[in-house]
Amino acid sequence: GDSVTQMEGPVTLSEEAFLTINCTYTATGYPSLFWYVQYPGEGLQLLLKATKADDKGSNKGFEATYRKETTSFHLEKGSVQVSDSAVYFCALSDRGGSYIPTFGRGTSLIVHP
Amino acid sequence: EAQVTQNPRYLITVTGKKLTVTCSQNMNHEYMSWYRQDPGLGLRQIYYSMNVEVTDKGDVPEGYKVSRKEKRNFPLILESPSPNQTSLYFCASSLSQGARGGAHTDTQYFGPGTRLTVL
Repeated sequence: GDSVTQMEGPVTLSEEAFLTINCTYTATGYPSLFWYVQYPGEGLQLLLKATKADDKGSNKGFEATYRKETTSFHLEKGSVQVSDSAVYFCALSDRGGSYIPTFGRGTSLIVHP
Repeated sequence: EAQVTQNPRYLITVTGKKLTVTCSQNMNHEYMSWYRQDPGLGLRQIYYSMNVEVTDKGDVPEGYKVSRKEKRNFPLILESPSPNQTSLYFCASSLSQGARGGAHTDTQYFGPGTRLTVL
């Protein structure tokens, strides 16, 4: 079945540092890939997505590229801010599967001033 | 404002006392679902609904019921809550009806969450 694996957290960085959160997936069909962000005390909200291989999703300085050859969708940001502190979830939704979205376990990011 | 609302936001109850968590969306979305979020386990889907009167089990449906009598509402029912259902619950909705409609590209919109404690 489909699965998503994210790097364990928490990831702790200083402000203006470079961020990478790794995400790899397995899927039976042709998935779309998503990154959701959950700020403290809130629900998840979409950060970015990519619907086919080699697509790059971007938003708020975050980027992720859909790499079919390595089955990966790593999240990157060149310079993090304290306000980026949150939990980040990688997810997939598979056209060839049951359509039930699959989420990773989440990676907590803590950014210090 | 487009949104998914949940009520209550916080609930403390006792084992065996039936409860309902409401979920409503104002975006005319066809697809709605419920998740629970537990430390170290991420989000796990409980039930989902492709449209009115169409519901199906997710990954962890035991101990829960749902109904979809209207397009905008998707309540989660715990007939006899137990302590292992203590969790943070999220309702979500998205636009499309299913894989044939391109639903695999859809963004999900989440409610603010309901923190449930069962004593």
